[in-house]
Parts: sequence; C-alpha cells; structure tokens
Amino acid sequence: QVQLQESGPGLVNPSETLSLTCAISGDSVTSTNWWSWVRQSPGKGLEWIGDIFQNGGTNYNPSLKSRVTISVDKSKNHFSLMLSSVTAADTAVYYCARGVAFDPWGQGTLVTVSS
Amino acid sequence: EIVLTQSPGSLSLSPGERATLSCRASQSVSSNYLAWYQQKPGQAPRLLIFGASSRATGIPDRFSGSGSGTDFTLTISRLEPEDFAVYYCQQYGRSPYTFGQGTKLEIK
Repeated sequence: QVQLQESGPGLVNPSETLSLTCAISGDSVTSTNWWSWVRQSPGKGLEWIGDIFQNGGTNYNPSLKSRVTISVDKSKNHFSLMLSSVTAADTAVYYCARGVAFDPWGQGTLVTVSS
Repeated sequence: EIVLTQSPGSLSLSPGERATLSCRASQSVSSNYLAWYQQKPGQAPRLLIFGASSRATGIPDRFSGSGSGTDFTLTISRLEPEDFAVYYCQQYGRSPYTFGQGTKLEIK
C-alpha cells in the first residue's frame, strides 16, 4: 500500500521560501511515475503546482513556474517542493500525490503565509 | 489552459437516488485524460475515475464515468450515505493540469 506524507513548516513569513517534503512508503521515487504537488485554497480551489519524473524531468504550472522548484532525493525516497517569494495568496493546504491522475494523495499540510 | 466547468454547483438528493454530475471542458481533453475525485471534509481528495471511464482500485461499481471530447459525466447509480461529499473533475491531457470548481452533493 502506497502512502505519502507531507512535512514542513506550517507558518512562513511573506517574501520567504516555502519548503515541503513528501515521504514515500510502499513505492520508490525512482519508479516509473510522476510525483506531483497540488494545493487547495478557499479562493482558488485545487491547483496543480508541478511534478517530477524519475529522471529528474519536471513540469511546472506556468502561473507559478518562476517561483517553483521540485526535486527528488533518491537516498531518502522523498521529493520536495520549494516556492519562493511567498505572499498571503500562497496560503493553502499543500498535497503531494503520485501520478497525473493523482493516486494516492498525502493527507495534506496547511501552510499559512503571515508575519 | 483548459478550463473545466462543473454543474450543478450543488445537488441535493436522498440515499438510494441516482446522481449525475457534469464536467465541461473549454477545449477537447486529449485521449480522454479526465479524472474524477471525491473529497470529504478534512480529507484529501480520493481518485474515483481515470481515463474518463475506468474505476480506480477499490471504487464501488455504483460509480461510473462517461463522456469524451469536452463533455464528461460522473454517475452514482444508488447513493449511499457515505457518498455525500464534494466531487471534482480534473484533466491531465495537457499541461497545466486543471481542476473543475467542484460539485457539492448534499443529503436532502
């Protein structure tokens, strides 16, 4: 059974960088899958942030592309999200998920951008 | 980007009734790469349908998906109490992948 678990700070200061990690169990980050980040906020609903493939190839949502980096750590079997220059509009529940028809999802982690 | 519009925004039905949810795309969805998710309060979305009509692992057969091109439908044949939730469609045929705004299925 594949399980994903997000972790990272729940509070980030405006203009700083949001950093989250998704730990994978029951699968390998090097398997033939895309590994994705999705966020959900009351104002914008569900929004795909981007994804990364086993070979390190990435795709990002153009609306966030200038601020997003997704990377993989094969030794720790996890992948990570960095979102720079955050504002209050980046406050959301952040999910990691496997694939492009997302299955499964992590439980999600609320990140609030506030000073 | 492909905009997905779901209708209705909310739907009030009773257990045992049939639910029909619609998702319309602003452009044709490549290879019918259309998924449906169920989300309950405080939980992550759960994949129900992928490829427009294929049920995900463990999903009861009362859930079915249909459609192609720009018009897709999720049907729940006989509503169970646990089916009352918010449902989202998502296209993954063209980046950026996008979601509909959701349909809230409420108990009447």
